[in-house]
Amino acid sequence: DGGITQSPKYLFRKEGQNVTLSCEQNLNHDAMYWYRQDPGQGLRLIYYSQIVNDFQKGDIAEGYSVSREKKESFPLTVTSAQKNPTAFYLCASTNRDGPTGELFFGEGSRLTVL
Amino acid sequence: AQSVAQPEDQVNVAEGNPLTVKCTYSVSGNPYLFWYVQYPNRGLQFLLKYITGDNLVKGSYGFEAEFNKSQTSFHLKKPSALVSDSALYFCAVRDVSTGFQKLVFGTGTRLLVSP
Repeated sequence: DGGITQSPKYLFRKEGQNVTLSCEQNLNHDAMYWYRQDPGQGLRLIYYSQIVNDFQKGDIAEGYSVSREKKESFPLTVTSAQKNPTAFYLCASTNRDGPTGELFFGEGSRLTVL
Repeated sequence: AQSVAQPEDQVNVAEGNPLTVKCTYSVSGNPYLFWYVQYPNRGLQFLLKYITGDNLVKGSYGFEAEFNKSQTSFHLKKPSALVSDSALYFCAVRDVSTGFQKLVFGTGTRLLVSP
């Protein structure tokens, strides 16, 4: 079945460590996104990529990095520079560049910093 | 900038009763509006969207939404609520003010349907 796979589902990290969250899609979508979800704040955009080998910062990119070497993959690295990394992270994709296309989401990765 | 507001943190309704989850928007230009649902520790699932045309939009799982331009609202509705509808609901608007048309989300409304 087509969809978006995020791994790991749960991740624990010690302060000062970098961690990488995986996002893979087999929907043949060009655009991919990373959102962060915190209770009561909705979803906030971290990074997005509209084509391979290109990505842009979203609203809260500080302390995060991404790569887009393949169309199917858009991994997110949470670096030690991120001050408050404990959150639920959601990856999404869409097959349209215009404003009418809906986003398809993965099941999310919950990161907890110990 | 485009934005949406969900004025209620939580909505409580009894099973079998109609439900409404409210959303108001602020956009420059045409509004492209979306509703998503999220179950605990899961990703978001698309319910429906308004692009143009009929003000009443029908979506998944019996949900519908009414677009009202004069009131800048896009409320989510269902004629008869189910306990399984209990979840977190997000309204979103496509921000077309920049070259990249990102999706901007509201803060979410928790729906609790009691048996």
